[in-house]
Amino acid sequence: QQQVKQSPQSLIVQKGGISIINCAYENTAFDYFPWYQQFPGKGPALLIAIRPDVSEKKEGRFTISFNKSAKQFSLHIMDSQPGDSATYFCAARGASRGSGNTGKLIFGQGTTLQVKP
Amino acid sequence: NAGVTQTPKFRILKIGQSMTLQCAQDMNHNYMYWYRQDPGMGLKLIYYSVGAGITDKGEVPNGYNVSRSTTEDFPLRLELAAPSQTSVYFCASRGTGSSYNEQFFGPGTRLTVL
Repeated sequence: QQQVKQSPQSLIVQKGGISIINCAYENTAFDYFPWYQQFPGKGPALLIAIRPDVSEKKEGRFTISFNKSAKQFSLHIMDSQPGDSATYFCAARGASRGSGNTGKLIFGQGTTLQVKP
Repeated sequence: NAGVTQTPKFRILKIGQSMTLQCAQDMNHNYMYWYRQDPGMGLKLIYYSVGAGITDKGEVPNGYNVSRSTTEDFPLRLELAAPSQTSVYFCASRGTGSSYNEQFFGPGTRLTVL
């Protein structure tokens, strides 16, 4: 059962444009929402992350917007560059229980972004 | 630090064969994870470990086994390979320090079962 739904599956943006990727989750017990970036032939790497007590987090050209009541969060890439062309995954982590957090992540399906020069 | 390393990078198996995917990390991380990545499906957790000697099943454990005899190594064993196990496999690790949220991924192993 998919608990994190990501859209769109693919996205084409012109250089300098804004790329927006959306995710929705079902489980209200998630406590950490990271975005991972993956280049072809490489493993995913953490791009930016947010906790549900914050509505927005910005790091350079990358911003996460978080809507707790709607159970949605999104990644915005401002001034998109050809070097941003990659696959992006949103994820969610279950909250700590008992002795600690296992750190297990539930990933979205991924979005392949192409930024045209 | 080499980070998370995986071997082999590529492998072709025949149906029914077995193999072990190797994963090692040199960051002294307690937590380690195995994922498989299929097109349009994201990453699915196969098994994970919270420390040496402790492993547990993830979302899609059937057909796989793991062991964790040391902090550094977390091999994934495929017994009786099936075409449904054709995938890209990623190992990841996570520490318990100030950046404890981040999972560090290896470069992956691309496995084809024919």
